[in-house]
Amino acid sequence: EIVLTQSPGTLSLSPGERATLSCRASQSVSSSYLAWYQHKPGQAPRLLIYGASSRATGIPDRFSGSGSGTEFTLTISRLEPEDVAVYFCQQYGSSPRTFGQGTKLGIK
Amino acid sequence: QVHLVQSGAEVKKPGASVKVSCKASGYRFTNYGINWVRQAPGQGLEWMGWISVNNGNTNYAQNLQGRATMTTDTATSTAYMDLRNLRSDDTAIYYCARGEVLYDAFDIWGQGTMVTVSS
Repeated sequence: EIVLTQSPGTLSLSPGERATLSCRASQSVSSSYLAWYQHKPGQAPRLLIYGASSRATGIPDRFSGSGSGTEFTLTISRLEPEDVAVYFCQQYGSSPRTFGQGTKLGIK
Repeated sequence: QVHLVQSGAEVKKPGASVKVSCKASGYRFTNYGINWVRQAPGQGLEWMGWISVNNGNTNYAQNLQGRATMTTDTATSTAYMDLRNLRSDDTAIYYCARGEVLYDAFDIWGQGTMVTVSS
């Protein structure tokens, strides 16, 4: 199975700063079937990005995804307090689907 | 509004079974599959399996070793995940999520159901 490794594990930034989250795959992700999700405590995870770079419905353009093959990035261009959450990546092109362990994003 | 609403928290003893429900609303239930995912305390997310609501086909993660059964009731737009012979390491939050077995991101998730296995 494809192992996804996210870095950093924890990130703390100030409002207005740019956050860059990484997701590295142990083998190439088929056809960029890579998604990013936002997960706040006690809530359902929320799809942010699919197909490595397409924003899901209703997601602000502050969130962007890029990458291909084994290296993928989620960028949040201008952090807001409401962005505090765990962000995780998922590959859905090879069975079984697998997830990264998550990056915990905090605001200073 | 599209929603998946899950059943409440459960506490079970080792060796028992648990059945978690996931009720869909706001869309045609038979048009999408349902996946189940769990997250043990301090761990990452683990895909458990998928069921086609349209025809009942299933695909389970190998490590569940036949302990899980996923079903749906199209009359009530509800999906179920039954896990048998519970062990302490089955303690986790269980989520349902809309999507097919592959090639679909999960666009809608349930709120999660905490299952605690303890003697």
